[in-house]
Amino acid sequence: DQQVKQNSPSLSVQEGRISILNCDYTNSMFDYFLWYKKYPAEGPTFLISISSIKDKNEDGRFTVFLNKSAKHLSLHIVPSQPGDSAVYFCAAPYTDKLIFGTGTRLQVFP
Amino acid sequence: NAGVTQTPKFQVLKTGQSMTLQCAQDMNHNSMYWYRQDPGMGLRLIYYSASEGTTDKGEVPNGYNVSRLNKREFSLRLESAAPSQTSVYFCASSEARRAHSSNEKLFFGSGTQLSVL
Repeated sequence: DQQVKQNSPSLSVQEGRISILNCDYTNSMFDYFLWYKKYPAEGPTFLISISSIKDKNEDGRFTVFLNKSAKHLSLHIVPSQPGDSAVYFCAAPYTDKLIFGTGTRLQVFP
Repeated sequence: NAGVTQTPKFQVLKTGQSMTLQCAQDMNHNSMYWYRQDPGMGLRLIYYSASEGTTDKGEVPNGYNVSRLNKREFSLRLESAAPSQTSVYFCASSEARRAHSSNEKLFFGSGTQLSVL
């Protein structure tokens, strides 16, 4: 049972436009959410996080929105840059595990 | 600082062979983890260790063993490799004294690409 779902395996966005990556979850007990970014042949790196007591967290070009009633979070990248091309994973810690989504591959083209 | 270092980066095994993946971190982190990444499956936790001398099973532990030799090192062993273990393996660490504490960031190594023929 996939508790964290990223239903879009890929997304293509023009440079300078907004990228929106989505993540849905099923477990209302999750109290924190994290986004990781992964380049080819590298390990994932932490990007941004949000506590369940907030509905928005912003860090530079990256903003994460949380809609608890819909059990949905999204990562906004504005403006998108070619260096943002990577796979993005959302994740939620629960008990002693960090549950990852399946990832969305973002491609930013000129 | 090197962060999290994994060796080897690539490995090809025949079915039934054994091998150990090595991982070391130089950040004085308490918790260490082994994940595997497969297409369409995200990252799945194999084993983790919240402190030196302790290890616990994750989501997919079958066919693997681990050893937390000291605070720095956490190795993953495949005793008898199977084609289903073909994957990319990532080691990670975090400061947390309790594994996967809510807001603890994980720091990942660059991965080991393993093929089992």
